[in-house]
Amino acid sequence: NAGVMQNPRHLVRRRGQEARLRCSPMKGHSHVYWYRQLPEEGLKFMVYLQKENIIDESGMPKERFSAEFPKEGPSILRIQQVVRGDSAAYFCASSHRGWEHEQYFGPGTRLTVT
Amino acid sequence: ELKVEQNPLFLSMQEGKNYTIYCNYSTTSDRLYWYRQDPGKSLESLFVLLSNGAVKQEGRLMASLDTKARLSTLHITAAVHDLSATYFCAVDMKAGGTSYGKLTFGQGTILTVHP
Repeated sequence: NAGVMQNPRHLVRRRGQEARLRCSPMKGHSHVYWYRQLPEEGLKFMVYLQKENIIDESGMPKERFSAEFPKEGPSILRIQQVVRGDSAAYFCASSHRGWEHEQYFGPGTRLTVT
Repeated sequence: ELKVEQNPLFLSMQEGKNYTIYCNYSTTSDRLYWYRQDPGKSLESLFVLLSNGAVKQEGRLMASLDTKARLSTLHITAAVHDLSATYFCAVDMKAGGTSYGKLTFGQGTILTVHP
């Protein structure tokens, strides 16, 4: 049973480019969460999605960031016009149901903006 | 806004010693998690604590939850080098009477165990 998969594992972008981070939840999981971890800090919630729905995006920056979880395919976190401050590790987690089951984390995507 | 605070943030221990990491949180919550993170790696779930008075043990680690005090502890017994890692507590935020897995993390405790 494959765990949560994220790709790419490492991503380097120049300032102003776009970054696309992908997350495939565990089999049977329909809830996906994205978290960001800045260097030397804990994880910060960004967004919670179910298939085709954004449930809570209270942690998403108002500009340049968007997320989706389509009916088919992985969840995508998109960052437009990246800046150096976007450099961080982005973790995706999935759960079977939103509040009954614990979240399982993927390996993360480490984004570096040069 | 839910706040989760861990202390200490840095912990240097000798092998064989005991110590406790504390996790305080500011509002009512359904559940509390402890995670371990090794450098450059993802989070490994250690414990899920669901109710007041819950106590769970795995090897040299034991976690407890006091919902009235809004406090969880992670106790390390007879530390060994392999326990060196960063430990996070995370609280599930309750909203509108239903918690839905929006985790709020503490700052993390960097544990280093010396021979």
